[in-house]
Amino acid sequence: AQKVTQAQTEISVVEKEDVTLDCVYETRDTTYYLFWYKQPPSGELVFLIRRNSFDEQNEISGRYSWNFQKSTSSFNFTITASQVVDSAVYFCALSDPPRDGNNRKLIWGLGTSLAVNP
Amino acid sequence: EAGVAQSPRYKIIEKRQSVAFWCNPISGHATLYWYQQILGQGPKLLIQFQNNGVVDDSQLPKDRFSAERLKGVDSTLKIQPAKLEDSAVYLCASSFLAYNEQFFGPGTRLTVL
Repeated sequence: AQKVTQAQTEISVVEKEDVTLDCVYETRDTTYYLFWYKQPPSGELVFLIRRNSFDEQNEISGRYSWNFQKSTSSFNFTITASQVVDSAVYFCALSDPPRDGNNRKLIWGLGTSLAVNP
Repeated sequence: EAGVAQSPRYKIIEKRQSVAFWCNPISGHATLYWYQQILGQGPKLLIQFQNNGVVDDSQLPKDRFSAERLKGVDSTLKIQPAKLEDSAVYLCASSFLAYNEQFFGPGTRLTVL
């Protein structure tokens, strides 16, 4: 069965610190997608990134970076020089690629609540 | 490009009453999802539509919840009758086939008293 584990329930940092959010996944499939979403206090889930299982290149987008390691089944998310606006709940998710013309459902982690204090 | 629209944003009802939520997905997105998110938890998929057909409704409490997506665009989720445990945020999302990244609306916060 597929599963996503975000072991860190809550993290608190001071502004400008770097912080890494961990995500470990389980799947028997060789082809899959991994996602990160941000949910700020306003409540709307914001898509951050999709990573395909066959692409292990790390990705950087501004202060955000993602480290995908198939050997350890991990897809960790690092925020460099954190800011107060980064305070949110961050969810990691997993899905199979589309099949029979349908998108597959996302398997969600329980989320990590990040508090960035001034 | 307009995002996913949902209404209402907030709704307060008493138990045993009925309620309906509306969602308009991003133009061109064939897949539409309804999620329930209880405070402090991750989203729980209630139903997934591909165009106007149901792909997955395995976690939809069909004795009280119903959803439809007429003409493969807008969708409505209904709860009848509501229970206290239905208090949650109901999120609608849509995605383009093949990439599967889902884009979410602002949600409807339902309080059942």
